[in-house]
Amino acid sequence: EVQLVQSGAEVKKPGESLKISCKGSGYSFTSYWIGWVRQMPGKGLEWMGIIYPGDSDTRYSPSFQGQVTISADKSISTAYLQWSSLKASDTAMYYCVRSFNYFDYWGQGTLVTVSS
Amino acid sequence: QSALTQPASVSGSPGQSITISCTGTSNDVGGYNFVSWYQQHPGKAPKLMIYDVSNRPSGVSNRFSGSKSGNTASLTISGLQAEDEADYYCSSYTTSTTRVFGTGTKVTVL
Repeated sequence: EVQLVQSGAEVKKPGESLKISCKGSGYSFTSYWIGWVRQMPGKGLEWMGIIYPGDSDTRYSPSFQGQVTISADKSISTAYLQWSSLKASDTAMYYCVRSFNYFDYWGQGTLVTVSS
Repeated sequence: QSALTQPASVSGSPGQSITISCTGTSNDVGGYNFVSWYQQHPGKAPKLMIYDVSNRPSGVSNRFSGSKSGNTASLTISGLQAEDEADYYCSSYTTSTTRVFGTGTKVTVL
């Protein structure tokens, strides 16, 4: 069974750093792109970027380029989404997704709250 | 890279059919047969309903169907049921090898 299991909810202060994770199982982790999707409170879905764990090829949405870093450790079948300096506007639910030209499996989501 | 345009809301009575549109450009919807649709119930992760314009994943009801004409894709729900009440999002591959979502549509079953 394909599963994407994300790390737990986080509460951070503005300016702090954060790295959330997404562990894949039940399939060949290095053979599929993994993406990240943001959903701000009460808002729609936003595509942030994707990574191919096989060779770490990474693509970003222009809206998120330079704002976050996507990485992966294929030895432990885990993808990451990282911020170096959080802002209040980063408060959102973040989903990891297995990606083709569509997103067939979704993680359960990681809620990130940034508040002073 | 602008979001694809969807109507904010669509409603219908049980048993009726409704259609949700998703309008992009020749750089996304119109340029590729890689449009997908997602259903999201409150507090839940989205679920893939249609991929590659008109294909249904295993387990998705055949009441859901997809199509495309030019720069506009459509999701049709026939035989509307109470459980279909949810938010729906389209998504497309783009020329810059990225992906883009639609603005989302709230479906209400009257």
